[in-house]
Amino acid sequence: QSVLTQPPSVSAAPGQKVTISCSGSSSNIGNNYVSWYQQLPGTAPKLLIYENNKRPSGIPDRFSGSKSGTSATLGITGLQTGDEADYYCGTWDSSLSGGVFGGGTKLTVL
Amino acid sequence: EVQLLESGGGLVQPGGSLRLSCAASGFTFSSYAMSWVRQAPGKGLEWVSAISGSGGSTYYADSVKGRFTISRDNSKNTLYLQMNSLRAEDTAVYYCAKGLRFLEWPADAFDIWGQGTMVTVSS
Repeated sequence: QSVLTQPPSVSAAPGQKVTISCSGSSSNIGNNYVSWYQQLPGTAPKLLIYENNKRPSGIPDRFSGSKSGTSATLGITGLQTGDEADYYCGTWDSSLSGGVFGGGTKLTVL
Repeated sequence: EVQLLESGGGLVQPGGSLRLSCAASGFTFSSYAMSWVRQAPGKGLEWVSAISGSGGSTYYADSVKGRFTISRDNSKNTLYLQMNSLRAEDTAVYYCAKGLRFLEWPADAFDIWGQGTMVTVSS
């Protein structure tokens, strides 16, 4: 059971938009920055979003992030087949004194 | 090029020990917090442990506290994870990850990840 809650799977057609939610509590998302990671099959995770809504250099603006209260959302527009991957949210939990991740969401581009 | 390269994984019996290493290059290693994150087969990411840039502060997940020890040698640009009293549930790919921000502690995001090293605990 993950501290952060994500839907197990989402799907959409190429070119469409999808959102992935991440729900937590005041000890994690509510008082700390959220980051998002993309994990393509058989590879290491890759940072997509940090500080709730910032993109590292090289990440296209098709990827966006937002946070409200104890929840965060990753948005992906103009879906491509290459976006098929597992997506994880993550943050620090001040009560646990440790990092926490969501259970991951598998994106399928139909 | 900023790079992390893990090593030391393998097959170990329950109750055994293993030490993982993560060699860093391309950045000022001592200025960044480092973490270990693991992923059991077919499962999600699990944060394991973190260490400050100086090595003076550490945090552990409850699942490994008292059994695992994180450390670093800044003169060798290397991160370590000593794993003792290993259990079947410790079977996973172990990734080392670099904290995002210069001199930040603790790190809440990781911008560089290694390729991972597989640890299998089985008799």
